[in-house]
This record gives sequence, C-alpha cells and structure tokens, in this order.
Amino acid sequence: DAGITQSPRHKVTETGTPVTLRCHQTENHRYMYWYRQDPGHGLRLIHYSYGVKDTDKGEVSDGYSVSRSKTEDFLLTLESATSSQTSVYFCAISDAQGQGLRSGEQYFGPGTRLTVT
Amino acid sequence: DQQVKQNSPSLSVQEGRISILNCDYTNSMFDYFLWYKKYPAEGPTFLISISSIKDKNEDGRFTVFLNKSAKHLSLHIVPSQPGDSAVYFCAASIEGGSEKLVFGKGTKLTVNP
Repeated sequence: DAGITQSPRHKVTETGTPVTLRCHQTENHRYMYWYRQDPGHGLRLIHYSYGVKDTDKGEVSDGYSVSRSKTEDFLLTLESATSSQTSVYFCAISDAQGQGLRSGEQYFGPGTRLTVT
Repeated sequence: DQQVKQNSPSLSVQEGRISILNCDYTNSMFDYFLWYKKYPAEGPTFLISISSIKDKNEDGRFTVFLNKSAKHLSLHIVPSQPGDSAVYFCAASIEGGSEKLVFGKGTKLTVNP
C-alpha cells in the first residue's frame, strides 16, 4: 500500500466556481500525477510533478493548474469550473528510485468524482 | 494523435476460457509497457508489465506478450474468472524518461459464469 489519499472523494459545484482537489501521499515518492478519466477517453494526464515546486503539463492541462509545496501534497485547481470538467480525477505516484515501485509503475489513488452543474 | 490504442471497447468470455486483450502503439520510443485493471469506483491497479527487451512476461494466470516489430502487445488471462471482470488499460512509457505513462482508452472485460 503506497499510502495515497484523495480529498474530497465527491464534489458537486457550480459553473464558474474555483475547485481544489488534494492528493496526499505518505511514502515520499518523487513523482505525482493528476489524470482525468472520461468515457471513451481512458485516462488522460492533466499535470504531473517531478519534485517540490517542479511541475509540467500533460495532454489536457487547459483550465487546470497545480501546486506542490511539499513532497506529500499535490493540489489540482480548477480556477473557474466548467461543465466539460465534470469527470473522475485520479492522482498517482511513482518513483524511479524504487521504494516499492519499479520504474514506470504508477500507484493510483481512489479517485474524486467531480460534477460541475 | 493516439499513441496507445485499444481498439476493442469491450470483450465478453466464458468463465474458464482464455481472455485476450490487445493493444497497439505507434511511438517506437516506448520501451516499457504495463497493464492496469480498474474496477468501478476504484483507482486503477497495476497488473503486469513488460520491458522491450523481453517478448513475454508471465505472472500466474496473466501473461503479456510483446511484438516489437508489429508494435503490438496482448494480455492473456487463463483461465478467466468472474472476478476478472473489469476495465483493462494498456499503458506505455519510455524507461528512464519522465516517468509519464500514456494510456489506451481501455477494454471492458466481462467474464460470464
């Protein structure tokens, strides 16, 4: 168990409101990721982090920002939520140096179901 | 441009028979491939992986085959069990790179008792 939690697990919000999702890990893994999962699209990478304050964009980053001020926390923010951002969001972790995960293997959190009305 | 493709959205098999899930990729730089299983309302879980230096990797009932020349991999589940019913995602990465995975769209496997 890589000790990864996501909060909240469910959220309903209105269009135009800001939303922040939190991913927390307890194992000091270097890499953290945010994905969204939508029917017909599989898992798509939004943003990822390769260390504290080091982040980069994924394939669907528009409308999202991230921050990582501590190793254990990776925050995903929707500055102004839109209905197209209704999705299930997954956080994942990995670590090329091992610690129970081999290079390339990612361990996923339980997900956050976000509905934007 | 979809770099990892799972062309079958769904697959249905009988319990005890073989399940074969297929995946194709277009980026020849990919050298590490993984399969994840996902149950409803849960996060994906790692199932099995294979490096490009191998053409087969086996773990219990699960075997992954890699055909580099065809840029194709497959996951075999033998024998299939009802508990294997889930969505299976194929993923690819470049080992030693940024640790990013590129996922396919998934195949929903249903194993009928």
